[in-house]
Amino acid sequence: AQTVTQSQPEMSVQEAETVTLSCTYDTSENNYYLFWYKQPPSRQMILVIRQEAYKQQNATENRFSVNFQKAAKSFSLKISDSQLGDTAMYFCAIGAGSYQLTFGKGTKLSVIP
Amino acid sequence: AAGVIQSPRHLIKEKRETATLKCYPIPRHDTVYWYQQGPGQDPQFLISFYEKMQSDKGSIPDRFSAQQFSDYHSELNMSSLELGDSALYFCASSSRDRGKTETQYFGPGTRLLVL
Repeated sequence: AQTVTQSQPEMSVQEAETVTLSCTYDTSENNYYLFWYKQPPSRQMILVIRQEAYKQQNATENRFSVNFQKAAKSFSLKISDSQLGDTAMYFCAIGAGSYQLTFGKGTKLSVIP
Repeated sequence: AAGVIQSPRHLIKEKRETATLKCYPIPRHDTVYWYQQGPGQDPQFLISFYEKMQSDKGSIPDRFSAQQFSDYHSELNMSSLELGDSALYFCASSSRDRGKTETQYFGPGTRLLVL
């Protein structure tokens, strides 16, 4: 079984600033994927970024990047140049073995103008 | 690009009634997943199908059943509805190519309210 822990229930950031959301996970699988999903007030689940565990290079997607520390089982998300549209709930998730996703409890991010 | 389609988007039912939720995956995706997200909660995995066969089963109540059809669309059937079934139900799809976890793309969800 997999577990995902997001220790920051809520965070806020000033527009144009940088913010980092934390995520730790646990799994006994060797092959797994890690994801960050964004859920804005519309409640749509939107993929932000993904990381294959076998890749050492951290994934980046425009203003979004991750810091993947495999030994520490840590997978943080950095959002640069924060925009008002980044206001959302952010879920960290792991997919391993049985393919289903296990999510963390989420971090509610507010971008302040 | 085509996305996952779910219908209906909103559904209101009375206790003990039955509901059917439909999901149309992204074209050429062979795997469908169902998740339930209660208010203020993270999504919880219910069940998945790969190539029309049940693949994995999570915390799905016995009152719920699901299947995937020959055109790959899936239906989640919920009977004897309870107040606690009120939630947002997501369908996600992926292509299980090369036998490893691939990215799951989520539909907009069906909001079910049980009165």
